[in-house]
Order: sequence, then C-alpha cells, then structure tokens
Amino acid sequence: LAKTTQPISMDSYEGQEVNITCSHNNIATNDYITWYQQFPSQGPRFIIQGYKTKVTNEVASLFIPADRKSSTLSLPRVSLSDTAVYYCLVDSSGSARQLTFGSGTQLTVLP
Amino acid sequence: DTAVSQTPKYLVTQMGNDKSIKCEQNLGHDTMYWYKQDSKKFLKIMFSYNNKELIINETVPNRFSPKSPDKAHLNLHINSLELGDSAVYFCASSHAQGPNEKLFFGSGTQLSVL
Repeated sequence: LAKTTQPISMDSYEGQEVNITCSHNNIATNDYITWYQQFPSQGPRFIIQGYKTKVTNEVASLFIPADRKSSTLSLPRVSLSDTAVYYCLVDSSGSARQLTFGSGTQLTVLP
Repeated sequence: DTAVSQTPKYLVTQMGNDKSIKCEQNLGHDTMYWYKQDSKKFLKIMFSYNNKELIINETVPNRFSPKSPDKAHLNLHINSLELGDSAVYFCASSHAQGPNEKLFFGSGTQLSVL
C-alpha cells in the first residue's frame, strides 16, 4: 500500500494558479494516481486521475514525472469556491482493493 | 437523484447504545465501502464489499458489523457505542474493483457519542 505525503495546508488568492504536490515514493507499477476534492459536510468527489505524464480535464491538470514518485495537481485560476480539502490517492491493487486516504491538503482561497 | 445516499445525516446517541447507518447506491455499482473520517480529516477505509461479498475488513473492532442485503445496499451496524466512535462515516461505491475505478461518496453521517 503506497503511502502519500501532501502539505497540510495552502493558501492562495482568487485568480491564481494553485499547484499541490503529492509524494508517493513507493508507488507500484500498476498503481494509478487519483485526486479527490472534499467540501465541508460533503463526501470526497473525484477530480482527476492519471498514470503517467500529463492529464487534463475541465477542472484540473495532473502532472506526473517519469519516475512517478510524485504528482502535482494544478488548479487554474482558483475561485473562493475551490476552498476545500484535496486528497491524493495511490491505488494499490491486489487481491483486494485498498484505498486509504491521508489527511489531505486544506486549500484556502482568499479574496 | 442522489447517486449514493446514506441515512441518517446526523446521529447523536449515548455510550453503550446500538445504532445503524444505512447506505444505498443507484449507480448499478458492484463494490461498496465504508470509510471513517476523524477530526483531522484522515479518511480511512473500514470495509469493502463486492457484489455482497466482504473483500476488505481493515482493523476495525468487531462491534462494527457491515451487512449487504444486495449489491445496492451496504449498512453499518455498531454495537456498544464508545466515545471514540464519534466521527463522520462515509459510504462509497465504485463500478468494480481495480486500480482505475472512481469512488462515489455519500454525504456522510456525523455520529456523536455522548
């Protein structure tokens, strides 16, 4: 089960680009990297997933270097509504799928 | 329609009581999960069921007993509640097992044990 490390918190201002990096040194060959977003009083919500290089969708981009030991979630031009906890998850598949989220990164967007 | 729904949203009870939390998903998924989130936002998996069969049982006291009457439902029963059980409990589902499956979460049940 790959362990992930993320910053506990980050602050940003509206309109800025935010990059949140996650370290996963023990990532296995078959592991995917997934990011979730959680607003207060809600369950986590899928944002983006990748295996290598770069993935982009309408919400964010995910950058994964060649060694895959880290990944960076990039949120372009954040707004106040992007204030949330962001979780990096590395899925260690096996005979049973285990998913434990860490404590995430609390992103606070300021006006 | 809510994809993953759990009830109740809030549950306040006394130590020693027995309580249940219900979860239903209407996504046609085969796999369902229970997670516990503590006050520091750490989100830890407790159980996972695939097509009504238990496939993950993390280190959870046996006072916690999941029950899956069908693959659309995964309920959590807790006996002899303790103060340390206070947390937010999330139900989730995914299409199947596998490394690229997205999890869909319910909105959580805030359990407070007094």
